Amino acid sequence: AQRVTQPEKLLSVFKGAPVELKCNYSYSGSPELFWYVQYSRQRLQLLLRHISRESIKGFTADLNKGETSFHLKKPFAQEEDSAMYYCALTGGRRALTFGSGTRLQVQP
Amino acid sequence: DAGVTQSPTHLIKTRGQQVTLRCSPKSGHDTVSWYQQALGQGPQFIFQYYEEEERQRGNFPDRFSGHQFPNYSSELNVNALLLGDSALYLCASSWGGSEGTQYFGPGTRLTVL
Repeated sequence: AQRVTQPEKLLSVFKGAPVELKCNYSYSGSPELFWYVQYSRQRLQLLLRHISRESIKGFTADLNKGETSFHLKKPFAQEEDSAMYYCALTGGRRALTFGSGTRLQVQP
Repeated sequence: DAGVTQSPTHLIKTRGQQVTLRCSPKSGHDTVSWYQQALGQGPQFIFQYYEEEERQRGNFPDRFSGHQFPNYSSELNVNALLLGDSALYLCASSWGGSEGTQYFGPGTRLTVL
């Protein structure tokens, strides 16, 4: 069975501080990992996927197969980064499995 | 392109009733997935439709059923509603089955009294 764990319900940082949103997964094969974001009053949208290996809005995430983690990082948080972040996994042509989400609050 | 659209926005039903939710996929997409998002939780996969057939199903009872039409739009039906069915129901569309990036609709908020 595939499972995604986001241990923090809430992460509060000050503007300009580094951010790390944790995501751990359980999957027996080769997973594909994603981060989705939901800003206030907006729909859920894809932030980044590990196979793209790109930086979106300053965020990056590296898949660590040894630690089964896919943490989301940004060196300097902005107030507009405040949102709900969901880590998700798929593998073997299966549908997405989401974590329970982490709310990021960036204080001025 | 309006992206993925869902109707209605909100719905209030009583226990035992039946409900139908609708989804129109993003232009060019042929696959529709449905998710249930309870308060404080991440979305949970219900089922996926591709080529008018249910291709995958999550851990939901048979009270949850669906349909995909030739124009790729989809319906989610829930029979014998329970209080625990109260949630946000999300539709996501993609191209070519489950491998494509999924684009989400705004959701339908269902309240069961």
